[in-house]
Amino acid sequence: EIVLTQSPGTLSLSPGERATLSCRASQSVSSSFLAWYQQKPGQAPRLLIYGASSRATGIPDRFSGSGSGTDFTLTISRLEPEDFAVYYCQQYGSSPRTFGQGTKVEIK
Amino acid sequence: EVQLVESGGGLVHPGGSLRLSCAASGFTFGSYWMSWVRQAPGKGLEWVATIKEDGSEKYYVDSVKGRFTISRDNAKNSLYLQMNSLRVEDTAVYYCVRGGSYIIYWGQGTLVTVSS
Repeated sequence: EIVLTQSPGTLSLSPGERATLSCRASQSVSSSFLAWYQQKPGQAPRLLIYGASSRATGIPDRFSGSGSGTDFTLTISRLEPEDFAVYYCQQYGSSPRTFGQGTKVEIK
Repeated sequence: EVQLVESGGGLVHPGGSLRLSCAASGFTFGSYWMSWVRQAPGKGLEWVATIKEDGSEKYYVDSVKGRFTISRDNAKNSLYLQMNSLRVEDTAVYYCVRGGSYIIYWGQGTLVTVSS
């Protein structure tokens, strides 16, 4: 099983600032089969990024993903008020599919 | 519009059983892998089980193997999760999701509480 470790656990930033979230895998994620999700309280997660760097339909271009192998990054170029939420990475290159433990982006 | 509507959650004692259902609409159900993902209160996401389009392949996370069974009825556009020998640690919101890789479509979730 691939273990995904996200850092930091909490990111305290102000609107307009840049957010950089990390996701590290315990072994290489094949074909960069890595996704990122955003989750707000009381809601189901929303897909942001798949294939490590492809934005899902309707996702603003301030969200970008990068990385390969074992190290992946989600960057939010300029935080908007609606971006404060919890973010999860997920690998789908091997079974079982696994998620990271999440990074909370909170208002400073 | 894709819709996934879960039902069947509730309160159950440890060792008990529960069957979750998911009614799918807005897409050709029999053409997609389907899965269950859960989230314990205040915790992260955990992939629980996945089933192939025709039901011929099924995958489970280790913690539920031998206790949970995923199934589907393509004629009824429905996905199921039979949960036996439930444990306190199975308490979570259970989401029905379309797909077996990355997930675009999620249901609203149904809460399963295992408690004495």
